[in-house]
This record gives sequence, structure tokens and C-alpha cells, in this order.
Amino acid sequence: QVQLVESGGGVVQPGGSLRLSCAASGFTFSNYGMHWVRQAPGKGLEWVSFIRYDATNTHYADSVKGRFTISRDNSKSTLFLQMNSLRLEDTALYYCANLYSDPAYWGQGTLVTVSS
Amino acid sequence: DVVMTQSPLSLPVTLGQPASISCRSSQSLVHSDGSTYLNWFQQRPGQSPRRLIYKVSNRDSGVPDKFSGSGSGTDFTLKISRVEAEDVGIYYCMQGTYWPYIFGQGTKLEIK
Repeated sequence: QVQLVESGGGVVQPGGSLRLSCAASGFTFSNYGMHWVRQAPGKGLEWVSFIRYDATNTHYADSVKGRFTISRDNSKSTLFLQMNSLRLEDTALYYCANLYSDPAYWGQGTLVTVSS
Repeated sequence: DVVMTQSPLSLPVTLGQPASISCRSSQSLVHSDGSTYLNWFQQRPGQSPRRLIYKVSNRDSGVPDKFSGSGSGTDFTLKISRVEAEDVGIYYCMQGTYWPYIFGQGTKLEIK
């Protein structure tokens, strides 16, 4: 069955960095564009970033542009999100998602807490 | 960026009754390829989101047919024909026509 398993979250100080990973299984990862979506505690969903199936194109939310970098390793069926210059407002549960399959698939999320 | 506006933000519904959620975009969501990339997601308490509808009216596999999506251009609607207890949660629309993708604020459905 399809699984998306995020990891790499944790507590980091403002200005720090984290690298999130999303391990995919149960589908041909290299065929699909992938997204990161986040949800601050008690808040709604916020789309963060997208990477094309072959990594030739990426997009970012204005709130993370220039600070976050999405990437992928198709040989390892893994999606990444490098987060630099973290801010308090980046505190959230970060989900990876495949929104191009039917049904769409989401992971369980990894929690990032930015705190001094 | 496109602005997505949902209404109502809170929706108390009696079990067995229908429910309807509106989503409006600040510009037409018709893509240059002719498709309209409007999605609906459900997030039950404590769970990851789940997509219900893509491209306005297409149900994801496994989604009960009590959920239906409709609309065009800038106005879209998610309908639940008969609300059950398992439908409690927050419903989000999301546009996928323009970058960046944008979610609506969410509509909290509760049982009256």
C-alpha cells in the first residue's frame, strides 16, 4: 500500500535550519510531482512547495521563497525540504503529499517547532 | 496571488441533513489547458487531510458518492447529501491552477 513517511522535524532556534524528508513507497515515486503542505497549530492548511516529477521545476509559497528548497532523490523515492533562516511563524506540522494520483496521498506529518 | 474565500466558516448540521460549502476565487480558475483545478479536502480531527474532489467535480477513489462538487469560473460548491457523524471536521478548497497554490480558510462542520 502507498505510504508517505515524513521525518526530520524537531525544535530549532530562530535563524536555524532543518532538513525534512519524506520516504515514499507503494507507487512509482519518479512519475509524480510532489508537494509540501504545512499546518500551524490550530490553523488551516498552507501550501508550501512543489517539485516536478523529474525535478526540473519547483514552486514556492511567497512566505518561504528564498529560505526553503525542495528537492528529491528518485533513486531513493525520497522528497526533501531544506529549511533555512527559520522563523517563529514556520512552526507547523509539515506534510508531504502526492496530489496527482487518484486517490491523492498524504503523510502523517512531521512537527517543526521554531522557538528560542 | 489568488485569494480563496470559503463560506460559511462554521457549519452546524443535523444528522441526516444536507450540507453545502461555498468557495470563491478572486480570479477564474480555468487553466490555459481548459481544465479547472479546484480541489476539496476533508480533515477529520487529529488526522491528515484527505482529498475528496479534484477538478471541480471528480471524486477521489473511495470517496462516498454523498460528496459532490460543482461550479465553474470563480464559484464552487461542495455538497454532502446526508451528513453523518464521520463527516465532522474541517473542509478546505484549494486552487491548483496558478502558482502558488492556495487553500481556503476552512469550514468547520459540526453536528447540531
